[in-house]
Amino acid sequence: DAKTTQPPSMDCAEGRAANLPCNHSTISGNEYVYWYRQIHSQGPQYIIHGLKNNETNEMASLIITEDRKSSTLILPHATLRDTAVYYCIVRVAFYSGGGADGLTFGKGTHLIIQP
Amino acid sequence: GAVVSQHPSRVICKSGTSVKIECRSLDFQATTMFWYRQFPKQSLMLMATSNEGSKATYEQGVEKDKFLINHASLTLSTLTVTSAHPEDSSFYICSARAGVYQPQHFGDGTRLSIL
Repeated sequence: DAKTTQPPSMDCAEGRAANLPCNHSTISGNEYVYWYRQIHSQGPQYIIHGLKNNETNEMASLIITEDRKSSTLILPHATLRDTAVYYCIVRVAFYSGGGADGLTFGKGTHLIIQP
Repeated sequence: GAVVSQHPSRVICKSGTSVKIECRSLDFQATTMFWYRQFPKQSLMLMATSNEGSKATYEQGVEKDKFLINHASLTLSTLTVTSAHPEDSSFYICSARAGVYQPQHFGDGTRLSIL
């Protein structure tokens, strides 16, 4: 799986858009960009994923650059409940050869929403 | 949709006992389930991948005889920590995937404390 680089922490004011960057310059053509978040003492929560087109769902938007070397997760109207560690993970959709097929979590970005 | 339930949420037990943790996909059938472990202030680490009806695939360094995984149905996987010791104290988290192109969805984790 391609390596990702995220800032260790970010602050955002409540009600504003939170833009979380992720660099993945070694991404290959069949690798997707996944975003998860982990609120303290809970399991990770799936947010969104994409291959090359921008994606939007009820939680967030994912903007992937044309060269696919970086992406941005956008939380349009951040609330205090969005304070969490956000993980950007790049990987193929699945390993057809079977075997271990899990996600590799880095250190993520600790997003703190300020009141 | 895509709810994964994990039970129990917290376990405290004496050294030498065995502990079973259940992971259930409540509203979908999971062909593959995963078990992760997270130590304090660290990221999740994949322990094993479990496909329904077959033996689990363990990550390097994870003892398969100590961490027994059973995935007998499409909605249930169990992790048994056998003869647990204080160094096994950790946050154990399962995830489940409905299909090979679907994202993983996580349970809320089990905090295991061995005295």
